[in-house]
Amino acid sequence: DAGVIQSPRHEVTEMGQEVTLRCKPISGHNSLFWYRQTMMRGLELLIYFNNNVPIDDSGMPEDRFSAKMPNASFSTLKIQPSEPRDSAVYFCASSRDNYGYTFGSGTRLTVV
Amino acid sequence: GDSVTQMEGPVTLSEEAFLTINCTYTATGYPSLFWYVQYPGEGLQLLLKATKADDKGSNKGFEATYRKETTSFHLEKGSVQVSDSAVYFCALSDQAGTALIFGKGTTLSVSS
Repeated sequence: DAGVIQSPRHEVTEMGQEVTLRCKPISGHNSLFWYRQTMMRGLELLIYFNNNVPIDDSGMPEDRFSAKMPNASFSTLKIQPSEPRDSAVYFCASSRDNYGYTFGSGTRLTVV
Repeated sequence: GDSVTQMEGPVTLSEEAFLTINCTYTATGYPSLFWYVQYPGEGLQLLLKATKADDKGSNKGFEATYRKETTSFHLEKGSVQVSDSAVYFCALSDQAGTALIFGKGTTLSVSS
């Protein structure tokens, strides 16, 4: 099993540009989670899906953030327009019935 | 709401020293408890877990016991190695299908 696959690993973009982060969960996992990690705020849950349906998006900072899961094998997190304060490492994780998450390696986003 | 509190770091130890990282939790139900480890530049990896009171999770020499009476899940290792240097996260899950709630993480630095 290849694990949870995130792309890109690193993204540098200019303020105001659209950024799309991608995640492929482990086959057979029915829950998918997007987290953001910064030194100041630690790990923050942004949104999670069960069976491709968004369950809780209360952690999404503002309307500039959106996430989709069109099928069981793919999810995107989009930021439009991006701002410097969005700079962070974004993690995707998947699980089956919450018996331990498997995290991807993360996308390090830098907005300049 | 549910929450996890970890001891603040960094924790600095010499090789072969005994390690304890304290973790306490607040939950309305009977949560499952987890320890995750994050090595530099990587995503979080599940280290160990316990799903009910008095269970002991163990892996790679690390142990933690689910103590319902003290709402604690302290991480211990008898003899740390330089390779154990990482950030350790305590987490809980209140029910299947919901997101894990993480503590802020504790940085461990082991020197030879």
